[in-house]
Amino acid sequence: EAGVTQFPSHSVIEKGQTVTLRCDPISGHDNLYWYRRVMGKEIKFLLHFVKESKQDESGMPNNRFLAERTGGTYSTLKVQPAELEDSGVYFCASSQVRGNYGYTFGSGTRLTVV
Amino acid sequence: DAKTTQPTSMDCAEGRAANLPCNHSTISGNEYVYWYRQIHSQGPQYIIHGLKNNETNEMASLIITEDRKSSTLILPHATLRDTAVYYCIVKRNTDKLIFGTGTRLQVFP
Repeated sequence: EAGVTQFPSHSVIEKGQTVTLRCDPISGHDNLYWYRRVMGKEIKFLLHFVKESKQDESGMPNNRFLAERTGGTYSTLKVQPAELEDSGVYFCASSQVRGNYGYTFGSGTRLTVV
Repeated sequence: DAKTTQPTSMDCAEGRAANLPCNHSTISGNEYVYWYRQIHSQGPQYIIHGLKNNETNEMASLIITEDRKSSTLILPHATLRDTAVYYCIVKRNTDKLIFGTGTRLQVFP
């Protein structure tokens, strides 16, 4: 089966611009997660979708970040306007069953804000 | 915040077993121990998880002490491709994975 796909793999934007990251989970996986690692820090949880509903968005840093999952398939994470501190690697993960199972992560999108 | 303690780094000779320890002294009865790894520039990769019994799969073995306050991930025959950062994570019911700093394992020829 195809894995979790993220694109773009890299994005370089100027401060103040808008960027949209996309994640295609494994087909049939209802659970979709966003994580990120910024500036050498630890990987941090951002939010969790179950199908199209936001189950937990406690990790979203501020209202410049907007995540959507229309139709319960792919998800987008929009950063508007981007700030320098948003630079980092954004990972998406999916799982079929919620609970104590391993997630499958994508390779991430490396975002650089200059 | 992460509830686990791991050594910052370890070395292992290729072909030998890599034993990665993890302390989780405050683990509660319904929390599982998960292991993930991140190979450079890739996303985290699930390895194995367990509750109280030892577990084994095609990638690794997980040994959990009887009091569940610590565990060891064992890669039975380490290869150069196993060089990565290994994360020991105690899984909460909220589903979030809380990553610490992990152990950087360097497998050398």
